[in-house]
Amino acid sequence: AQTVTQSQPEMSVQEAETVTLSCTYDTSESDYYLFWYKQPPSRQMILVIRQEAYKQQNATENRFSVNFQKAAKSFSLKISDSQLGDAAMYFCAYRSDMNYGGSQGNLIFGKGTKLSVKP
Amino acid sequence: DSGVTQTPKHLITATGQRVTLRCSPRSGDLSVYWYQQSLDQGLQFLIHYYNGEERAKGNILERFSAQQFPDLHSELNLSSLELGDSALYFCASSSGTYNEQFFGPGTRLTVL
Repeated sequence: AQTVTQSQPEMSVQEAETVTLSCTYDTSESDYYLFWYKQPPSRQMILVIRQEAYKQQNATENRFSVNFQKAAKSFSLKISDSQLGDAAMYFCAYRSDMNYGGSQGNLIFGKGTKLSVKP
Repeated sequence: DSGVTQTPKHLITATGQRVTLRCSPRSGDLSVYWYQQSLDQGLQFLIHYYNGEERAKGNILERFSAQQFPDLHSELNLSSLELGDSALYFCASSSGTYNEQFFGPGTRLTVL
């Protein structure tokens, strides 16, 4: 079974600085997707960025970018020019890209990292 | 706004009771996923429906059941509620089994 691990329960960053959130995963599949979701105090789950495992190029969305290391099974999120509105829980998630062991595309989440942004 | 709606937003009930949570997916989305978020278990997948058919089950208790109706809305039924069932229940929809999932605002269930 696939697992996702976020080893940093809490992180803090100064406004306008850069922070990196870590995520590792375990899988025997070769095709899959990885995601970072943001959950602000409103509790809404917001997709931040996605990465297809078959793509070597790291995904980027404005101030958010990932460092995807497939061999190391590592998927970190870098937030540049941090803003107060970035304060939230961040969840790393995995999704299979094939019918494997009954999985039909559901997300497998890590425990989350709580990011605080200091003004 | 993701386009996914969930009702009610909050639900407070007593142990032993039964509740129904409702989810309306984005227009055109055929897949509905249910997830449970609790303090001790984190975010866990419960069940997936695609165009009215159950496709996969996760860590869903036997006391819980779900269905997806012809108009594609879905309901999650929780019975014989226990204190430990208190959690935030999300549904998410997507246009196909492997496409991006859009989450609803969640239903906060409190069992007293």
